[in-house]
Amino acid sequence: KNEVEQSPQNLTAQEGEFITINCSYSVGISALHWLQQHPGGGIVSLFMLSSGKKKHGRLIATINIQEKHSSLHITASHPRDSAVYICAVVKGGGSQGNLIFGKGTKLSVKP
Amino acid sequence: NAGVTQTPKFRILKIGQSMTLQCTQDMNHNYMYWYRQDPGMGLKLIYYSVGAGITDKGEVPNGYNVSRSTTEDFPLRLELAAPSQTSVYFCASRGGNVETQYFGPGTRLLVL
Repeated sequence: KNEVEQSPQNLTAQEGEFITINCSYSVGISALHWLQQHPGGGIVSLFMLSSGKKKHGRLIATINIQEKHSSLHITASHPRDSAVYICAVVKGGGSQGNLIFGKGTKLSVKP
Repeated sequence: NAGVTQTPKFRILKIGQSMTLQCTQDMNHNYMYWYRQDPGMGLKLIYYSVGAGITDKGEVPNGYNVSRSTTEDFPLRLELAAPSQTSVYFCASRGGNVETQYFGPGTRLLVL
């Protein structure tokens, strides 16, 4: 079983819809990252979380450490949000900060 | 700042050939990483470095070698290319006290 699981694998939405992508992990962590991979392949970091909630524009990320679960929400989705969203965790306990990645969620937002 | 740059963008290799994937960062980051991304799979760590002269294996190091002679450069060497090494390779870096990783644009490698 993968240490980081994402759901759904694929998601199609209409423009304007509220979107939720989920990430569950099975190991102790010191931080969790959400990344976006553009259709052209480039990867950018969206959020790094160790507790609570962060917001940037229309994107909101939350984490529940006790339940080992994080969600990425997109409000008022737009076709330019179409991308693969990747959850990654930093294992706790001297892991050198190396990331363990989920397989990603492919989001397609239709106009 | 250019950030993290990778060359080449795309390469076709024959089985048994060797090549070096180049990675350079201009942010004076201590930590550098090489990942591979296969279709439908999450990124896997090949090798990483915590500073010049220091490298260590990641999850999938077989068939690869690295060196880190300077802070800026972290080349990845494939000695005897195999079809299983067909993948997209990403280099990334981060500073010592900041955990955000900055990714290069990727190198698409096809081994035939």
